[in-house]
Amino acid sequence: EDKVVQSPLSLVVHEGDTVTLNCSYEVTNFRSLLWYKQEKKAPTFLFMLTSSGIEKKSGRLSSILDKKELFSILNITATQTGDSAIYLCAVFIIQGAQKLVFGQGTRLTINP
Amino acid sequence: NAGVTQTPKFQVLKTGQSMTLQCAQDMNHEYMSWYRQDPGMGLRLIHYSVGAGITDQGEVPNGYNVSRSTTEDFPLRLLSAAPSQTSVYFCASSLDRKVMNTEAFFGQGTRLTVV
Repeated sequence: EDKVVQSPLSLVVHEGDTVTLNCSYEVTNFRSLLWYKQEKKAPTFLFMLTSSGIEKKSGRLSSILDKKELFSILNITATQTGDSAIYLCAVFIIQGAQKLVFGQGTRLTINP
Repeated sequence: NAGVTQTPKFQVLKTGQSMTLQCAQDMNHEYMSWYRQDPGMGLRLIHYSVGAGITDQGEVPNGYNVSRSTTEDFPLRLLSAAPSQTSVYFCASSLDRKVMNTEAFFGQGTRLTVV
């Protein structure tokens, strides 16, 4: 069974802190790993990772994939209250069946 | 470019009623899918489609039907609503084979309450 597990499920930090969110996966026929941010409505795309060891960066957010150990991390530096959201990790698998499998999400709360 | 359009945004049903959630995309994506999101459960895949005329079950398909007669549309039908189907439903599309991009775009969600 394809599985994506995120940790922690919930995290509360103070503004300015750095956080690391984790995503591990056990799937067949991995194609890509995606990170999304969900505030009040639909998830919005952050990163797509397909190759090991190559960091993707967007402002204070960065992410990296380890295809040998089957995990990814999402780092947020100098956190702001606007970073408060649910962060979702998903893995896209393709061979015959093509599925986007999501983890449970990490609820991140940034306190001022 | 509208992206993924999902309707309605809110719906209240009585137990036993049926309804269809609409989803349309204008990005020529091959892959479309329906998810439900419940507190603490993340997004769970209900049904998905890899192209017109092809659908398959996801993780939680019971009580739902889908069809894909065109590339653009992927409606989700609740045959006989039950309170356990109270949830937020998201439609998503992805997989542009021309650029091999699997980023998924989401509709704005439907909050469904079954009483």
